[in-house]
This record gives sequence, C-alpha cells and structure tokens, in this order.
Amino acid sequence: DIQMTQSPSTLSASVGDRVTITCRASQSISDWLAWYQQKPGKAPDLLIFKASHLQDGVPRRFRGSGSGTEFTLTITSLQPDDFGTYYCQQHNRYSRTFGQGTKVEIK
Amino acid sequence: EVQLLESGGDLVQPGGSLRLSCAASGFIFSTYVMSWVRQAPGKGLEWVAAISGTGRDIDYADSVKGRFTISRDNSKNTVYLQMSSLGAEDTALYYCVKDMGAFGMDVWGQGTTVTVSS
Repeated sequence: DIQMTQSPSTLSASVGDRVTITCRASQSISDWLAWYQQKPGKAPDLLIFKASHLQDGVPRRFRGSGSGTEFTLTITSLQPDDFGTYYCQQHNRYSRTFGQGTKVEIK
Repeated sequence: EVQLLESGGDLVQPGGSLRLSCAASGFIFSTYVMSWVRQAPGKGLEWVAAISGTGRDIDYADSVKGRFTISRDNSKNTVYLQMSSLGAEDTALYYCVKDMGAFGMDVWGQGTTVTVSS
C-alpha cells in the first residue's frame, strides 16, 4: 500500500504569513493527490484535486503543487479562518490513503 | 442539493457486527465511486473502503480487509458497510463520501458514530 507522510504535524503562524505543508508518497502517484481542510467537529472540505487544481469556491490563496512523490500545499497569506487540520490524500485505482494531518494554528 | 445521510452507528460489543447505511440524493448515484472514511476520536482520517459505480470494483484498507464488506444498491441510491469482528480500534466516526477519484472526495456526510466497548 502507498503511504503518505505529511510535515510538519503542527504549525503556528500569524495572519498574513505564507504557510507550506509537505506531503510525501512512498511511491510515485503522478498527480493523483488531493488536499482537504477539516475544522473541529466538521467533515473535511476538498480544497485541491489533481495536485494543483483548486476546487470551486476555494480561495485562491490556497495553492497546490508537486508530482511523483513530493507535494506541497501553500497558503500564500494566512487568514483567521484558515485554522484547522489539513490532510493530503492519494488515490490509486480504488485504493486511497490519507496523510496523518497537519494542524494549523493562528498565532 | 447533493446530500449523503449515514445511519446505523451504535454501541456494539467487541466481536460484534454492525451495518452502516448511507442514503444519497441530488446526483446520479450509479455513476460515482463511493467511499467510507473513518476518524477515531482525536485522530486523523482513515480511508476504509471504496466501491465503483457498478459495484464490480472494490478495495479495502488493510486494517479492515476480511472483516468489512462494502456494497451498494443503485436502485435505492444507498451504499452500505457491513462490519464484523469489531474491536476497540474500530471505534470511530464513519463518513460516507462521494468519491470522484482523481478529482477528490467532494461531498461528505455528517458521519455516524460506531463505539466498540463492553
């Protein structure tokens, strides 16, 4: 099975900061990667699919990049509403795997 | 409006069985992969199982293979998760998800809670 490793596990940043989360796959997954944001007590929301494509309605400050085994999610200017836990997820035919999550806190 | 409504979560004893259901509406159910994703208390997301639109293709996480069975009834717009030999490690909030493969999991239900305890 393909394993997904996110870093860091937690981060604390100020409003306006540029924030980067990394996700590494244990083998190449082309661009079959999605990113989600989850707020406490809520179901996750899809932010980005196919590594770099923004889901409808998601602010443009969220950017995804990467291919193969290394991917990044960047928030170009952190906003107060961006707190929560972020997950990467790969898909390979009918198998999926999530990363362990990155908790983002606003200073 | 696209909606997924899970049901069937309950308190069950170790070694017991349970069937979760997820009723879908607002989209052409039979054309989409459906997945179950769970989240143990205070933990991250764990994909559990996926089933193709026709039901012919299925896959499971290693942690549930041989114990859980995913199925669907396209005439009822419903996907199921039959769980057996349940253990404490299966305690979680179980989400039903509309799964667009390369295009991500775009619609999530509100979840149904499974608690395995004596």
